[in-house]
Amino acid sequence: NAGVTQTPKFQVLKTGQSMTLQCAQDMNHEYMSWYRQDPGMGLRLIHYSVGAGITDQGEVPNGYNVSRSTTEDFPLRLLSAAPSQTSVYFCASSGLAGVPSYEQYFGPGTRLTVT
Amino acid sequence: AQTVTQSQPEMSVQEAETVTLSCTYDTSESDYYLFWYKQPPSRQMILVIRQEAYKQQNATENRFSVNFQKAAKSFSLKISDSQLGDAAMYFCAYRAAYNNNDMRFGAGTRLTVKP
Repeated sequence: NAGVTQTPKFQVLKTGQSMTLQCAQDMNHEYMSWYRQDPGMGLRLIHYSVGAGITDQGEVPNGYNVSRSTTEDFPLRLLSAAPSQTSVYFCASSGLAGVPSYEQYFGPGTRLTVT
Repeated sequence: AQTVTQSQPEMSVQEAETVTLSCTYDTSESDYYLFWYKQPPSRQMILVIRQEAYKQQNATENRFSVNFQKAAKSFSLKISDSQLGDAAMYFCAYRAAYNNNDMRFGAGTRLTVKP
């Protein structure tokens, strides 16, 4: 049971490039989320999904796209990277169908630098 | 909108002593959960303790306990018998009971433990 996995761990992009951050979970969780962590600001929700085929925007969605074609995977796409997207990105999952859930389980994070 | 405030950017404690980290939150919901997460230098988000708002009894987990004051919207974390391994960033977080995805975080408190 690997929990929540994220790849890559580190990435450097040039302004304007696009890329996809991968997230997978093997706990059969319904809910998955993407957060970004910036210094002095804690974690902020980018996008989330309540199940395969269902996604919605969080607090800071601009510049990012998501999709959820399977229960396990929830990739985050940066369409045209900007220096303001330099951050640490966390994927999280929670909740089995029909079972009350409490905490979210976090992946190890991806440190992204945009130059 | 729900907000979480951690007013102490940094705290320090002597090994074996007790320290309290503060957190206040703002919500109009009556049913919600509160969390403390620990983030060591590895970046991994680790759940320390959880409190359900409908429970009057304060949660405890070994050396970690909370002081939950629902009317005051306050949720402090007490670490007893501090150990060197407790040194980390600590984040207070809030989630409405109906919303599995939208967890709101405070800006964090960096805890230093002095030998």
